[in-house]
Amino acid sequence: DVKVTQSSRYLVKRTGEKVFLECVQDMDHENMFWYRQDPGLGLRLIYFSYDVKMKEKGDIPEGYSVSREKKERFSLILESASTNQTSMYLCASTAAGGFDEQYFGPGTRLTVT
Amino acid sequence: QQQVKQSPQSLIVQKGGISIINCAYENTAFDYFPWYQQFPGKGPALLIAIRPDVSEKKEGRFTISFNKSAKQFSLHIMDSQPGDSATYFCAASIAGANSKLTFGKGITLSVRP
Repeated sequence: DVKVTQSSRYLVKRTGEKVFLECVQDMDHENMFWYRQDPGLGLRLIYFSYDVKMKEKGDIPEGYSVSREKKERFSLILESASTNQTSMYLCASTAAGGFDEQYFGPGTRLTVT
Repeated sequence: QQQVKQSPQSLIVQKGGISIINCAYENTAFDYFPWYQQFPGKGPALLIAIRPDVSEKKEGRFTISFNKSAKQFSLHIMDSQPGDSATYFCAASIAGANSKLTFGKGITLSVRP
């Protein structure tokens, strides 16, 4: 059974804190993605990675950075959390090739106060 | 510029009825069109997908219809059930683009018993 796990289901942080969201997949997938989901805005791509140490900006990268030191792990970093980063964060992974299913984790609900 | 547009924004259907969700896209280079289904508290999961070389694909009660000239595709759910109540996202991607998907904003389907 394929699996994408995220380190926390719920997280509450204060404005200005550095926040790490971790994602691990057990499918040996090359590609990994971070999205945020907000009501009425759907899924918006923050960053993606197609190989270890490789990353590309998505549609809304401002205020975020990522790290991929190992193939199975993709981390999203909020350098200085702000209230407008309160959201649901979803990680996904897929094999290389272009037409493969993206497998999503259960999401992390982040609240920044 | 929103590249993938969904309509309607929400949908209420009676049990046993047909649910129809539409999607329009801008980029003619898109060549893979999946639909994702998301239940509350879960990440999205692939429901059904189509390539532009066919006009229709059916899997059980779920059918995708594709109109390349109109740049539109739609999801039809026959004999809708309360268990189909979820958020549905259409998406599109380009082969070789590291499996990066562009998602619509999603629609919430409620199937009344």
